[in-house]
Amino acid sequence: GDSVTQMEGPVTLSEEACLTINCTYTATGYPSLFWYVQYPGEGLQLLLKATKADDKGSNKGFEATYRKETTSFHLEKGSVQVSDSAVYFCALSVHNQGGKLIFGQGTELSVKP
Amino acid sequence: DTAVSQTPKYLVTQMGNDKSIKCEQNLGHDTMYWYKQDSKKFLKIMFSYNNKELIINETVPNRFSPKSPDKAHLNLHINSLELGDSAVYFCASSQDFSTDTQYFGPGTRLTVL
Repeated sequence: GDSVTQMEGPVTLSEEACLTINCTYTATGYPSLFWYVQYPGEGLQLLLKATKADDKGSNKGFEATYRKETTSFHLEKGSVQVSDSAVYFCALSVHNQGGKLIFGQGTELSVKP
Repeated sequence: DTAVSQTPKYLVTQMGNDKSIKCEQNLGHDTMYWYKQDSKKFLKIMFSYNNKELIINETVPNRFSPKSPDKAHLNLHINSLELGDSAVYFCASSQDFSTDTQYFGPGTRLTVL
């Protein structure tokens, strides 16, 4: 079945460090890919998305490129801030499956000053 | 303006009780969802409705019964609550049930004692 695998956390970085959170997927169809972020005590917010191969999603300094050949959608940021501390979820949605999102297990990021 | 709202935010109850969680969206979306987030933060879809019609039921026990009185509301009723039902429940909505972006509510933390 369809699935998403993320690198395990927690990830602890110092402010201004580079971030990469790996995400790979398995899908029977041709999925859209998403990164959602969950700040402490809150719901999920869409961070970025990509709907076809080689698309790059970007927002708030975060980027991820849809790589069909490696079935990956790694999240990157060049310089993290304390305010980026949150749990990050990679997810996919396959057309004709009722819109359901299939999530990875989440990666907790903690950024220290 | 709150886009997707849920009530209550916290719910503490005894095993065997029946409880409801309400969800409303003011985005004019056609599709609404319920997701369950367990203690390890893993998110899994439970149900989705499109224009008040059920389109996804992910093998959820029949103690869980969603009800959609109109396309702006999707409530979740749970009968005979069990310890394993303790989780955070998120409501979400999207324009339609393709692979569109989903907007999440703040979550309801259910604790069954």
